[in-house]
Amino acid sequence: ELKVEQNPLFLSMQEGKNYTIYCNYSTTSDRLYWYRQDPGKSLESLFVLLSNGAVKQEGRLMASLDTKARLSTLHITAAVHDLSATYFCAGLSGGSNYKLTFGKGTLLTVNP
Amino acid sequence: NAGVTQTPKFQVLKTGQSMTLQCAQDMNHNSMYWYRQDPGMGLRLIYYSASEGTTDKGEVPNGYNVSRLNKREFSLRLESAAPSQTSVYFCASRDGLAASSYNEQFFGPGTRLTVL
Repeated sequence: ELKVEQNPLFLSMQEGKNYTIYCNYSTTSDRLYWYRQDPGKSLESLFVLLSNGAVKQEGRLMASLDTKARLSTLHITAAVHDLSATYFCAGLSGGSNYKLTFGKGTLLTVNP
Repeated sequence: NAGVTQTPKFQVLKTGQSMTLQCAQDMNHNSMYWYRQDPGMGLRLIYYSASEGTTDKGEVPNGYNVSRLNKREFSLRLESAAPSQTSVYFCASRDGLAASSYNEQFFGPGTRLTVL
């Protein structure tokens, strides 16, 4: 059974600083997803990582995947207030049903 | 293209009441999912439907039933609501094409349910 662990669960940053959110998973995951959730809103897809060594970037966010270490990271560069949100990673169980297992989420607060 | 829609957006129930949460998608996706989100718990899968006519239990199915009415619609029913079912419920859908390498799930806006 796939288990996904994120850390930290809470992250308070100053604008302009860099930081990394870590996502560890317990068994082989076919894909690794990152989602963003604003308060009271739904989940918005950020990145889909398909294979070992995959790196994707969008603006100040960069996600990477190391399947050998069973680790994905979400790196935030020069944080701005608009990045304040909860970030989830999720692993994909294989087979025909494609079930997602989510981490508990990282609540990111970027302070001026 | 509305994507995934859910009704109602908010609901307050008394313990023991029943209700059905509705979900519909217009993306012609094969698979649909129901999750609940509780503070500090992430999202947990309640039930899913890999294709029209099939449903399966997820991680936390107790107290819920589902119906895949057709390809577009997937409903979640609480037969006798309990305070422990106070949560935010999200529906999601995914295309089931083997050639789709992303297998991404798209989420609805959520239903905020309070059981008193």
